[in-house]
Amino acid sequence: GQNIDQPTEMTATEGAIVQINCTYQTSGFNGLFWYQQHAGEAPTFLSYNVLDGLEEKGRFSSFLSRSKGYSYLLLKELQMKDSASYLCAALHFNKFYFGSGTKLNVKP
Amino acid sequence: DGGITQSPKYLFRKEGQNVTLSCEQNLNHDAMYWYRQDPGQGLRLIYYSQIVNDFQKGDIAEGYSVSREKKESFPLTVTSAQKNPTAFYLCASSIRDSDYGYTFGSGTRLTVV
Repeated sequence: GQNIDQPTEMTATEGAIVQINCTYQTSGFNGLFWYQQHAGEAPTFLSYNVLDGLEEKGRFSSFLSRSKGYSYLLLKELQMKDSASYLCAALHFNKFYFGSGTKLNVKP
Repeated sequence: DGGITQSPKYLFRKEGQNVTLSCEQNLNHDAMYWYRQDPGQGLRLIYYSQIVNDFQKGDIAEGYSVSREKKESFPLTVTSAQKNPTAFYLCASSIRDSDYGYTFGSGTRLTVV
């Protein structure tokens, strides 16, 4: 594998902001993807970074630093429906390597 | 609408049986993939296919087999040689060499009884 690391679980309050971090090995790196997965369902695409910087899509933003092998997903104005697992996936030599996912619990 | 369909959603297998999980896509994607997901673990690649009539082993191919006779279809057989098959299986597809990531099917939950 490519040692994709992300926290196992996080808890945040409805309306707040939460940042989920992800680190990966830099060799052969082609891009970083974030997926949302509700329990028992398929992952759905959230965002994609190939260059350094911040990509914003509504309440969700994703940041990448290629030199540091680091990305984060930022979720703003948290809603209860955001309770899910968030998967970080790094594209290396045209193959995807997934982290184990961060389970986000949003509380009222 | 285009998409990727997995069936069945739930599957029960007896010890020693082979079972086949279906994956069909009408997205005209070249590449298709099978992943296994266990609780608390990331998706692990079983097999993938970049083109019809060709496929490669992923990281955990032992006890599994696939075929890719048609572009639209990539069935996965879980054989009796797979000692711990109970898991959530996800099929995905992508445009070959694309930067746009995967489209996932809805998954099949396989349980050994």
